[in-house]
Amino acid sequence: KAGVTQTPRYLIKTRGQQVTLSCSPISGHRSVSWYQQTPGQGLQFLFEYFSETQRNKGNFPGRFSGRQFSNSRSEMNVSTLELGDSALYLCASSLEGGQGGETQYFGPGTRLLVL
Amino acid sequence: AQSVSQHNHHVILSEAASLELGCNYSYGGTVNLFWYVQYPGQHLQLLLKYFSGDPLVKGIKGFEAEFIKSKFSFNLRKPSVQWSDTAEYFCAVTFTFGTGTRLQVTL
Repeated sequence: KAGVTQTPRYLIKTRGQQVTLSCSPISGHRSVSWYQQTPGQGLQFLFEYFSETQRNKGNFPGRFSGRQFSNSRSEMNVSTLELGDSALYLCASSLEGGQGGETQYFGPGTRLLVL
Repeated sequence: AQSVSQHNHHVILSEAASLELGCNYSYGGTVNLFWYVQYPGQHLQLLLKYFSGDPLVKGIKGFEAEFIKSKFSFNLRKPSVQWSDTAEYFCAVTFTFGTGTRLQVTL
């Protein structure tokens, strides 16, 4: 099976712009989670989507949003970019996800640089 | 809010040395515990996990971890590390991750 794929792999934006990142989960996986990874904070959970619904959410401001399509592909959007949004954004998929704590399979990430 | 603490931020060991990486979590209910590893240039991948049953769990590449409920701990161990174990290790409770421990193994 193909792994989790994320596009684009690298992105440079300026403050105030918005950005959309895409994630395609492993075939058959219905849960997609997003994380922000930075050197100082490690991995921080953004949100989880399952069957096109946001099921779990971390403590990020409303500028961070996401959605999931019927084929389980997911997008994450960040509006009004700030310098502090520079990070590696990771997507992970699992079969059912949720509180059951299934193994998550991670993609390579999208590295976002905000200037 | 749930939290996961990894007290060792950077560990340097010689090959064949024993490894123990600490992980403590705050949640007192039923937990699903994970250790993930990120080798240089590679994706995060599962090392091992604990849901229930035997508190000593074995993972890939000779790693094991022990769940001690009374101490809210899930420490990772390996009796003899190899140079190829150089990586960053993350402890997680479902969606909450620790800040990671960078392990450097020297020859």
